[in-house]
Amino acid sequence: ILNVEQSPQSLHVQEGDSTNFTCSFPSSNFYALHWYRWETAKSPEALFVMTLNGDEKKKGRISATLNTKEGYSYLYIKGSQPEDSATYLCAFIAFNKFYFGSGTKLNVKP
Amino acid sequence: DVKVTQSSRYLVKRTGEKVFLECVQDMDHENMFWYRQDPGLGLRLIYFSYDVKMKEKGDIPEGYSVSREKKERFSLILESASTNQTSMYLCASSHQTGGGTEAFFGQGTRLTVV
Repeated sequence: ILNVEQSPQSLHVQEGDSTNFTCSFPSSNFYALHWYRWETAKSPEALFVMTLNGDEKKKGRISATLNTKEGYSYLYIKGSQPEDSATYLCAFIAFNKFYFGSGTKLNVKP
Repeated sequence: DVKVTQSSRYLVKRTGEKVFLECVQDMDHENMFWYRQDPGLGLRLIYFSYDVKMKEKGDIPEGYSVSREKKERFSLILESASTNQTSMYLCASSHQTGGGTEAFFGQGTRLTVV
């Protein structure tokens, strides 16, 4: 079993706060690291697909970085909005299989 | 619009019943996955298929089997449902690019075994 850990487990912030989460994964047999956003009553949807050490991706107020040598990725949200409330999942991909962390549940209060 | 469709949103079954969860994707994806999601445990991989009739066990295959007779359809079978299989089940699919492309998910099936 490949261990993918996310922290914190949950986060409560005020609208306008910036926040970040961590995903830790094995540093060997790395193929890719994905971030997904999972809103209540919906299906998880991909935010970022990252394949190279040092990758930095950005989509609007959300960005992510990747360090494959030390086995971690950070997801940043700048100026959180209530619509950012969701569970954020990271997935470590090895041998074509997707191994997910338990997620960080973000609640943004207006 | 790409789609992964699971046959049921909610399902209630009795202990000992044989249960079939169906998943269909329309993206010609080679890979298909079955996960279960339980509070605090995230998505745990039950089974994975990388081609028709090909399958690999995931982290928690006990009590489950799968069938992939056609590329677009991946079925999860609970041979004899038990209460500890009450959970949310998610199907996903992806191209076989070694993780270079994203996975797409179905809407989930919330199964209750009574």
